[in-house]
Amino acid sequence: DAGVIQSPRHEVTEMGQEVTLRCKPISGHNSLFWYRQTMMRGLELLIYFNNNVPIDDSGMPEDRFSAKMPNASFSTLKIQPSEPRDSAVYFCASNRDRVYEQYFGPGTRLTVT
Amino acid sequence: AQSVTQPDIHITVSEGASLELRCNYSYGATPYLFWYVQSPGQGLQLLLKYFSGDTLVQGIKGFEAEFKRSQSSFNLRKPSVHWSDAAEYFCAVGASSGNTGKLIFGQGTTLQVKP
Repeated sequence: DAGVIQSPRHEVTEMGQEVTLRCKPISGHNSLFWYRQTMMRGLELLIYFNNNVPIDDSGMPEDRFSAKMPNASFSTLKIQPSEPRDSAVYFCASNRDRVYEQYFGPGTRLTVT
Repeated sequence: AQSVTQPDIHITVSEGASLELRCNYSYGATPYLFWYVQSPGQGLQLLLKYFSGDTLVQGIKGFEAEFKRSQSSFNLRKPSVHWSDAAEYFCAVGASSGNTGKLIFGQGTTLQVKP
């Protein structure tokens, strides 16, 4: 099993640019979670999907953030336009219904200058 | 609403010493409880979980945790800490949100191990 795959692992971009983070969940998992981790705020849940449908996006900080899950094996988190305060590590995690344990990807470290 | 509190932000122990990391939760029913570990630059890895049954659960890397309903606690323990255990530890509780597996995480405890 390949685990949760995230790309890129590192992203450096300039303020105002569009950033797209990608995630491939574990095969057979039907829930997917996007988290953001910073020193100041810790680990925050941004949005999660179940069967490709967004269930709760209350953690998305503002309209500059959007997430999609076009199929069971792929999700994107987009920031447009990016700002320096978006610098963080973004994690994707997945699990199966009724199995609460989540499996995390290695994360994408985003730096916005 | 469910919540998780890890009272200790930072803990330092000597290598070989015992370890206990505290976790308190707020949840109306029997909770699903987890401990995750995050090594520097890595994602979160599941250490152990409690769903039901025996209140003392064993995990990977020699860790164990005990569920105490009366204290709403799920503390993580290890009898003898190794330098490689230095990491951040997160306690989490399963949220009752339609069985989609949402977790509520604590703020984390950073463990430093002295030689």
